[in-house]
Amino acid sequence: QSVLTQPPSVSAAPGQKVTISCSGGSSNIGSYYVSWYQQFPGTAPTLLIYDNDKRPSGIPDRFSGSKSGTSATLGITALQTGDEADYYCGTWDKSLNAGVFGGGTKLTVL
Amino acid sequence: QVQLVQSGAEVKKPGASVMVSCKASGYTFTSIDINWVRQATGQGLEWMGWVNPNNGHTGYAQKFQGRVTMTRDTSISTAYMELSGLRSEDTAVYYCVRLGYYGSASWFNWGQGTLVTVSS
Repeated sequence: QSVLTQPPSVSAAPGQKVTISCSGGSSNIGSYYVSWYQQFPGTAPTLLIYDNDKRPSGIPDRFSGSKSGTSATLGITALQTGDEADYYCGTWDKSLNAGVFGGGTKLTVL
Repeated sequence: QVQLVQSGAEVKKPGASVMVSCKASGYTFTSIDINWVRQATGQGLEWMGWVNPNNGHTGYAQKFQGRVTMTRDTSISTAYMELSGLRSEDTAVYYCVRLGYYGSASWFNWGQGTLVTVSS
């Protein structure tokens, strides 16, 4: 059972937009920045969004992040088949004094 | 560019220990923490702990307290994660990860992962 809650799966057609939610509490998302990671099968995760809404260099602006209260959202526009992957949110939890992740969301581009 | 290169796959028997190494390059090794994250097959990411390469200080997730030890050797810019008392549930890919900056919960650079298989 993950500390942060994500939907197990989302899907959308190529060219469309999709959002992935990440729900937590006051001790984690409510107190710290959120980051997002993309993971393709058999490979290590890569950083997609940090500090709620910042993109590392090389990440296209089709990817965006936001946070409100104890929830965060990853948005992906102009979906491509190459975006099919697992997406994870992460942050720190001050009650656990540990890093925490969501359970992951599998994106299918139909 | 920042690179984290981990040691190769391991197969261990229940009760044994495993040590995974992580060699860093492309930045000042002692400038930022290395974290360790694991992922069982088909499962999500699980944070294990951190090591400060500058002073060797560590912090572990409660789940792994008493079983995990994270160390570093600054002379070769390498971090280590040792897990003892292995059980089948420890079968997973183990990643070393470079923290983005102090105060953040953003893991910027990931090693390629090391598969640890625990089997009798």
